[in-house]
Amino acid sequence: DAGITQSPRHKVTETGTPVTLRCHQTENHRYMYWYRQDPGHGLRLIHYSYGVKDTDKGEVSDGYSVSRSKTEDFLLTLESATSSQTSVYFCAISGLGSSGNTIYFGEGSWLTVV
Amino acid sequence: SQELEQSPQSLIVQEGKNLTINCTSSKTLYGLYWYKQKYGEGLIFLMMLQKGGEEKSHEKITAKLDEKKQQSSLHITASQPSHAGIYLCGADEQTGANNLFFGTGTRLTVIP
Repeated sequence: DAGITQSPRHKVTETGTPVTLRCHQTENHRYMYWYRQDPGHGLRLIHYSYGVKDTDKGEVSDGYSVSRSKTEDFLLTLESATSSQTSVYFCAISGLGSSGNTIYFGEGSWLTVV
Repeated sequence: SQELEQSPQSLIVQEGKNLTINCTSSKTLYGLYWYKQKYGEGLIFLMMLQKGGEEKSHEKITAKLDEKKQQSSLHITASQPSHAGIYLCGADEQTGANNLFFGTGTRLTVIP
């Protein structure tokens, strides 16, 4: 198994509160990603990082920010959580940016915004 | 933007039967990934295909990418209850960062 740890694994929060999800990897991989998974939409990319302090937006980035101050950690922040951000969030890592490199996923973080 | 269509959306088979799941794109696929997901868990990497006509196997699961690189199939031989789960295909968005976009998945149920 790839060394990816997501925390927290489950969280319930109130609308309007800030939430930070953490992804920690022990593989020293350059690329890290945050996806969300929703019924009927499958997995969609929120943000990704291609190195320390280098990040870019994905398909559904509105309402989310990320930071990567160390190779091993990629943080996803919901500045002011909304009910539409209730979802399962997956972190993924990849060693290279070119096609053909295996991408590994974490176990997921279940977030409920009430 | 590119889309991946998976079929069928759900599949119920008797243990021991063979089955096939398809993943189709309107555009050329560069790097096609297959994952399996059990309810409440993360994605498990199965296989990755790159070249037209490529075929890979792992235990009783075989994945193929057609010559035109627009369709992939996942075939399970002699299905077992342990094969049950959601199968997802993902394709490289060609941004240079290995970003993947995914199909909506196929839910497989294997009846003992």
